[in-house]
Amino acid sequence: DTGVSQDPRHKITKRGQNVTFRCDPISEHNRLYWYRQTLGQGPEFLTYFQNEAQLEKSRLLSDRFSAERPKGSFSTLEIQRTEQGDSAMYLCASSLRQGKNIQYFGAGTRLSVL
Amino acid sequence: ELKVEQNPLFLSMQEGKNYTIYCNYSTTSDRLYWYRQDPGKSLESLFVLLSNGAVKQEGRLMASLDTKARLSTLHITAAVHDLSATYFCAGDAGGTSYGKLTFGQGTILTVHP
Repeated sequence: DTGVSQDPRHKITKRGQNVTFRCDPISEHNRLYWYRQTLGQGPEFLTYFQNEAQLEKSRLLSDRFSAERPKGSFSTLEIQRTEQGDSAMYLCASSLRQGKNIQYFGAGTRLSVL
Repeated sequence: ELKVEQNPLFLSMQEGKNYTIYCNYSTTSDRLYWYRQDPGKSLESLFVLLSNGAVKQEGRLMASLDTKARLSTLHITAAVHDLSATYFCAGDAGGTSYGKLTFGQGTILTVHP
């Protein structure tokens, strides 16, 4: 068990470009979550999956954001036509949907939009 | 919609002292979590509190839950420098949103000699 891994750790892009982040959850976890964290704030929920099904999307997630989890394994989060307001840390977490349902977080991808 | 508020947001403590971080939430929360975040690092799970009156302890940290008051506390006993970090509480509203966590703003704890 190597924990939740995210790639890349840092991404710098120009406004208007598309970016894609990847998250590999803990292998036996059936739930996968995406959060966004800005400086000095707590993480904000974006979306989550149970296996390959996307169960809920936050109102924060505009049409420019899309997430997938093909085959219920890794997940990708794509942001199209990035804006400066998208600059944040994007965190992925996974859990086993039973019992305490503790979410284990990855180290995050820091996005800077210039 | 579940809202979570922490106070204080900043806490500067002397080593050896005790203090409490408070976490208030607005509506029924299925369970309450505490996480720790070190600068530049990810969130580390500390405690999960499942029912009214639940108390969990690990080392110098003790967390409790009062569902009637919609309040959770994180008590720090005899603080040491290694406890310096940001602490978050998070609620899970349960029901159809089971698993969706709502986080507080975080409490930045600094322990100095």
